[in-house]
Amino acid sequence: GENVEQHPSTLSVQEGDSAVIKCTYSDSASNYFPWYKQELGKRPQLIIDIRSNVGEKKDQRIAVTLNKTAKHFSLHITETQPEDSAVYFCAASIRAGANNLFFGTGTRLTVIP
Amino acid sequence: NAGVTQTPKFRVLKTGQSMTLLCAQDMNHEYMYWYRQDPGMGLRLIHYSVGEGTTAKGEVPDGYNVSRLKKQNFLLGLESAAPSQTSVYFCASSYSMGQTYNEQFFGPGTRLTVL
Repeated sequence: GENVEQHPSTLSVQEGDSAVIKCTYSDSASNYFPWYKQELGKRPQLIIDIRSNVGEKKDQRIAVTLNKTAKHFSLHITETQPEDSAVYFCAASIRAGANNLFFGTGTRLTVIP
Repeated sequence: NAGVTQTPKFRVLKTGQSMTLLCAQDMNHEYMYWYRQDPGMGLRLIHYSVGEGTTAKGEVPDGYNVSRLKKQNFLLGLESAAPSQTSVYFCASSYSMGQTYNEQFFGPGTRLTVL
């Protein structure tokens, strides 16, 4: 099956700085890459996703880039705010429809005011 | 809309006991999923369902059974609980729209401890 690796496991940044989280995947057939944010004690929520037919997608302060050749994708958060503090998970999916997701191990982001 | 709900929120079991976790969604989603979340492991898919009356194994199915008798409900059963099944369990659901990728909506989770 697919293997998704995520780095770093923890990340601390000053408020206003940028944060970057990186993931690699093993199966070249994967073609859907969502990112989820999970606040402490809460459920995971989708923040952005990208499909393999594009290399970059942006939504306000959040962007995701995808390099299919190298099999890696990254989450970029600019102008970080304290409410960005959470655990972020990347995931990859091979099959559309019942898109079974393979998750990375998560990155705990702390934004220091 | 309540979205995806899970019952119970917390449960403590003794080794060998059985229990059923209930997931319900009111979004008319075809697909439903059960994940477990362990520290440092991310979320791992246990079982999933692509429609009423159908189920399939995910990444870590051993020790669990599921049923989807109604479209809005997805049940996860532990027949003989083991300490290794101590985890937080999340249910999720998503639309069916042909061969497109659709967001999975998660429930609030069930924290299960097996002593």
